[in-house]
Amino acid sequence: DTAVSQTPKYLVTQMGNDKSIKCEQNLGHDTMYWYKQDSKKFLKIMFSYNNKELIINETVPNRFSPKSPDKAHLNLHINSLELGDSAVYFCASSQDGNGGIDYEQYFGPGTRLTVT
Amino acid sequence: QKEVEQDPGPLSVPEGAIVSLNCTYSNSAFQYFMWYRQYSRKGPELLMYTYSSGNKEDGRFTAQVDKSSKYISLFIRDSQPSDSATYLCAMTPGRQGAQKLVFGQGTRLTINP
Repeated sequence: DTAVSQTPKYLVTQMGNDKSIKCEQNLGHDTMYWYKQDSKKFLKIMFSYNNKELIINETVPNRFSPKSPDKAHLNLHINSLELGDSAVYFCASSQDGNGGIDYEQYFGPGTRLTVT
Repeated sequence: QKEVEQDPGPLSVPEGAIVSLNCTYSNSAFQYFMWYRQYSRKGPELLMYTYSSGNKEDGRFTAQVDKSSKYISLFIRDSQPSDSATYLCAMTPGRQGAQKLVFGQGTRLTINP
């Protein structure tokens, strides 16, 4: 039974398009995250939500917009895709009862985005 | 200078060898130190965590933190081919209060049978 799932697993699209990645966790966690992992394996946080409230918003272009309809889902919408957006995007979740960051984060399998 | 530095490798060792993986960091506020393991085409999974300085052992894995030197290590004893993966160190100032994990670049490790 998958704990953190993401769809799609692969996404190939052209520059200028708009795309969304969906994430769901069935762990009952309070906090969810989006990370970007570039070709050199650097894993960097983009956003974090706690109980549907945005708590971390790193320096990410406005073209990226997260949406959390409920605490089990965190989706990522990307407008006007650029070549530099090509990366693997990971969703993660953690249990935290106090609105903060928990070190034990559970990661999804990743979405490999290729922009051509 | 990056907040967390980690040699990306690749590192290749024979089965049974002791492996040492390391990270250095610059932010003295970091208190929690983690090691995540990432298999190819998978998401990272938490392997071990340590709070502040000291050692922690879990089976064949030992994590060490030396806050005075801003240096952390992961040792793998009796390494197995199944240990072949990328190992990422991560750290954070504290457990509460919207504080992010900062990851190292990851070291790609291959254990040869």
